[in-house]
Amino acid sequence: RKEVEQDPGPFNVPEGATVAFNCTYSNSASQSFFWYRQDCRKEPKLLMSVYSSGNEDGRFTAQLNRASQYISLLIRDSKLSDSATYLCAVNSPNFNKFYFGSGTKLNVKP
Amino acid sequence: DAMVIQNPRYQVTQFGKPVTLSCSQTLNHNVMYWYQQKSSQAPKLLFHYYDKDFNNEADTPDNFQSRRPNTSFCFLDIRSPGLGDAAMYLCATSRGDRGDQPQHFGDGTRLSIL
Repeated sequence: RKEVEQDPGPFNVPEGATVAFNCTYSNSASQSFFWYRQDCRKEPKLLMSVYSSGNEDGRFTAQLNRASQYISLLIRDSKLSDSATYLCAVNSPNFNKFYFGSGTKLNVKP
Repeated sequence: DAMVIQNPRYQVTQFGKPVTLSCSQTLNHNVMYWYQQKSSQAPKLLFHYYDKDFNNEADTPDNFQSRRPNTSFCFLDIRSPGLGDAAMYLCATSRGDRGDQPQHFGDGTRLSIL
């Protein structure tokens, strides 16, 4: 079983739509969770950390569900510029290894 | 200002010809990582250094080696590149003493094999 799994998509949504992605992880002892954005042929860039209480940054909301071992990312009022692949990352319990999902591709259409 | 710098951005090498990719950081992070990422796949951890301690992933081929001569620099050596080694290679850093801190990535080196 993979450490981290994501639906590859693509999610095709119109501008202004709300879209949500989930990411499941297998190690219940994992402590830290992150969402990254990756544009085509570029490096992953940190979008936001995911805290136990959830967190919000503008149009983006991240949540953690420890009982079901998944994290989620909600994007409201989608913009064309949100089109990218969204990777989740989960750290190993000893902190120094991070496992990535293969990403969910989002296409925002005019 | 770039904080994790990878060179070169693009590298072309011949089948079987050794190649070295470099990474430097100005963050003074004690952990440095090398990942291999192929199209539509997750970044795959090859190895990481915690300070000078080298940690190899069990499935990293022997063809891949790494050096970290000091805190700021880390190198990835591919001894005999095969066609299957064509990929984006990503260097990342993190603070090893803080489990809630994310990784910071360089721009990556895209490796092509002729």
